[in-house]
Amino acid sequence: GDSVTQMEGPVTLSEEAFLTINCTYTATGYPSLFWYVQYPGEGLQLLLKATKADDKGSNKGFEATYRKETTSFHLEKGSVQVSDSAVYFCALSPSSGGAQKLVFGQGTRLTINP
Amino acid sequence: NAGVMQNPRHLVRRRGQEARLRCSPMKGHSHVYWYRQLPEEGLKFMVYLQKENIIDESGMPKERFSAEFPKEGPSILRIQQVVRGDSAAYFCASSLAGPNNEQFFGPGTRLTVL
Repeated sequence: GDSVTQMEGPVTLSEEAFLTINCTYTATGYPSLFWYVQYPGEGLQLLLKATKADDKGSNKGFEATYRKETTSFHLEKGSVQVSDSAVYFCALSPSSGGAQKLVFGQGTRLTINP
Repeated sequence: NAGVMQNPRHLVRRRGQEARLRCSPMKGHSHVYWYRQLPEEGLKFMVYLQKENIIDESGMPKERFSAEFPKEGPSILRIQQVVRGDSAAYFCASSLAGPNNEQFFGPGTRLTVL
């Protein structure tokens, strides 16, 4: 079945450091790919998405490119801030018709120190 | 426009009791999804409902769990005879009708079974 594998955490960085969180997927067809962010005590918020190969999703300085050849969707940010501390989830929505259920990775906890 | 509402935010039950979790989707949304997040894990799809219909329940445990989304009122996830392994965060998401619409998540209900 479809699955998502994320780089294990936790990840701790200093403010203004470069961030990469790796995400690879296994799916049939052409899934849509997402990054969600979860702040403490809150639900998930969509951070960015890409719906087809070579698309780049971007938001709030974060970017991820849909790479079909490597089945990857790595999250990057050039200069992180303390406010970026959260848990980040990579997810896919299967391309088959019907329910658009999301398949999530296990999450990566990110802590940014001042 | 209010977001997805879930209540209660925290629920404590003793083994063998029933847990009832409520989800009110965003205004205009007719699709509801339930996910479960076990400690330190990603979210796992449970069930997808439209008004008065269960569309996909492939992620629901075969026993003790049920879900409904009546014509009027919130969606309900019911867990009968809870066990300690049911302790988790349960998230509801809603979306507009039609494929490829973004899911908006509620803040979750954290269930603790004593």
